[in-house]
Amino acid sequence: EAQVTQNPRYLITVTGKKLTVTCSQNMNHEYMSWYRQDPGLGLRQIYYSMNVEVTDKGDVPEGYKVSRKEKRNFPLILESPSPNQTSLYFCASSLGQGIGELFFGEGSRLTVL
Amino acid sequence: QQQVKQSPQSLIVQKGGISIINCAYENTAFDYFPWYQQFPGKGPALLIAIRPDVSEKKEGRFTISFNKSAKQFSLHIMDSQPGDSATYFCAPVSSGSARQLTFGSGTQLTVLP
Repeated sequence: EAQVTQNPRYLITVTGKKLTVTCSQNMNHEYMSWYRQDPGLGLRQIYYSMNVEVTDKGDVPEGYKVSRKEKRNFPLILESPSPNQTSLYFCASSLGQGIGELFFGEGSRLTVL
Repeated sequence: QQQVKQSPQSLIVQKGGISIINCAYENTAFDYFPWYQQFPGKGPALLIAIRPDVSEKKEGRFTISFNKSAKQFSLHIMDSQPGDSATYFCAPVSSGSARQLTFGSGTQLTVLP
């Protein structure tokens, strides 16, 4: 089954404790991206990757890091989480640039105390 | 930067009625115009999309209308059903860009039984 898998789905952590949210897709997609969803603000792009070893900032990259060492994986790293990073996070992938449909994961709800 | 403006923010419709959601954009380089549907606790999923070479596309009860000169496109849901209750996002994209995506702010649709 074609899918984008995120882990963990739910996480409660404390300020400053490094964490990683993993994202993996099994569709051989070149393009992958991360979004955060907050009430009243919709979906905002954090980082995106056009292909392996190619990443770029989205609209709200501060406080986040990403890496794309393999085509299928695109982890989101919070080196020193803060309460303002409490949010619902989505990973998504698509075939490539200009090839329309985005496939989203189920989401990871993060709470930073 | 507000490249994409979606309206209304929320919409309540009676079962069997017509739901209309609008998306206005500024970037004339956009060439793929999708609508995503998101149910609570789930990631967004592509509902319907249009390319600018046509002015309308219909899939079942869902229709996209595209007005290139006005730089806007709309989602029409005919014979709205309670199962259509969800949040809807527009997310136009340019295939010539580096694929930095901007989503509309979302429309929460409630269809009353």
